[in-house]
Amino acid sequence: EIVLTQSPGTLSLSPGERATLSCGASQSVSSSYLAWYQQKPGQAPRLLLYGASSRATGIPDRFSGSGSGTDFTLTISRLEPEDFAVYYCQQYGSSPFTFGPGTKVDIK
Amino acid sequence: QVQLVESGGGVVQPGGSLRLSCAVSGITFSSYGMHWVRQAPGKGLDWVAFIRYDGSNKYYADSVKGRFTISRDNSKNTLYLQMNSLRAEDTAVYYCAKVGVTDGWGYWGQGTLVTVSS
Repeated sequence: EIVLTQSPGTLSLSPGERATLSCGASQSVSSSYLAWYQQKPGQAPRLLLYGASSRATGIPDRFSGSGSGTDFTLTISRLEPEDFAVYYCQQYGSSPFTFGPGTKVDIK
Repeated sequence: QVQLVESGGGVVQPGGSLRLSCAVSGITFSSYGMHWVRQAPGKGLDWVAFIRYDGSNKYYADSVKGRFTISRDNSKNTLYLQMNSLRAEDTAVYYCAKVGVTDGWGYWGQGTLVTVSS
């Protein structure tokens, strides 16, 4: 099983700032099959990125992803008020398709 | 308009069974693999199971293997999760999802709460 870790656990930033979230894998994620999701309280998750760097439909270009192998990054270039949420990475290269524990981005 | 509507959640005693359903509309259900993902109260996302578009392959988290069964009826546009031998640690909101990692179009249901308690 591929274990995903995310850092930091909480990121306290102000609107307009840049957010950098990390996702690490215990073994290489095949073909960069790594996705990022956003979840707000009381809501279902929303797909942001897949294939490590491809934006999902309707996702603004302030969200970007990079990485390969065991190290991946989600960057939000300029935080908007609606971006304060919890972010999860998930690998879907090999079953079980595990999630990371999440990074909470809150308002400083 | 795409809709995924889960049903079948509720309160069940440890060792009991429940069957969750997810009715899908607005997409060609028979073309897509589908997932069940759960979230315990106040906790993170926990992937449960996946089934290919035609039901030919199924994959499970180790924590549910042998107890849960994912299935689908493409004629009814419905996804199922049969949950047996339920434990307290299975208490969670269960989401069905076309997560969208092949085409960028992700859709999730609103979730159904399963509570395992005596």
